[in-house]
Amino acid sequence: EIVLTQSPGTLSLSPGERATLSCRASQSVSSDYLAWYQQKPGQAPRLLIYGAFRRATGIPDRFSGSGSGTDFTLTISRLEPEDFGVYYCQQYGSSPRTFGQGTKLEIK
Amino acid sequence: QVQLVQSGGEVKKPGASVKVSCKASGYTFTSYGISWVRQAPGQGLEWLGWISGYNGNPNYAQKFQGRVTMTTDTSASTGYMELRSLRSDDTAVYYCERVKGSSGYPVGYWGQGTLVTVSS
Repeated sequence: EIVLTQSPGTLSLSPGERATLSCRASQSVSSDYLAWYQQKPGQAPRLLIYGAFRRATGIPDRFSGSGSGTDFTLTISRLEPEDFGVYYCQQYGSSPRTFGQGTKLEIK
Repeated sequence: QVQLVQSGGEVKKPGASVKVSCKASGYTFTSYGISWVRQAPGQGLEWLGWISGYNGNPNYAQKFQGRVTMTTDTSASTGYMELRSLRSDDTAVYYCERVKGSSGYPVGYWGQGTLVTVSS
């Protein structure tokens, strides 16, 4: 199965700053089938990006995804206070679909 | 609007089975599939499998093969996930997620989650 490794484990930034989250796969992700989710405490995950760079419906354009093959990045261009939470990447190109262990984004 | 509403929390004994439902509304059920993901307390996300709403074909994670069954009832616009031979490490919040296409790619919209507690 494909192992996804996210870095950093925790990111502490101030509103207005830029956040860069990394997701590295143990083997190439088929068709760049890579998604990013945000999860806040007590809530279901929220889809942000699918297909490596496609924003899901209703997601602000400050969220962007990039990368291909084994290296993917989620960038939040200008952090808002509501962007805190845990961010997960997921590959859905091969079975089993797997998630990264998560990056916790703390807002200073 | 699109909604996925899951059944309520369950407490089960080890060795028992649990069946979680996910009722969809606000879209054509057979045009999408349903994926199932779980999250143990304080842990990350784990994918169990997904099922096509079009033809009812399931695709299970190998880890759960033989222990999980996913089904749909198109007349009720509802998906079901049954997990058997429960163990304490199956204690988790179980989520359903709407997916699309032959690959079942994510398109947003999750259920609210169902807490399944396995305890003697």
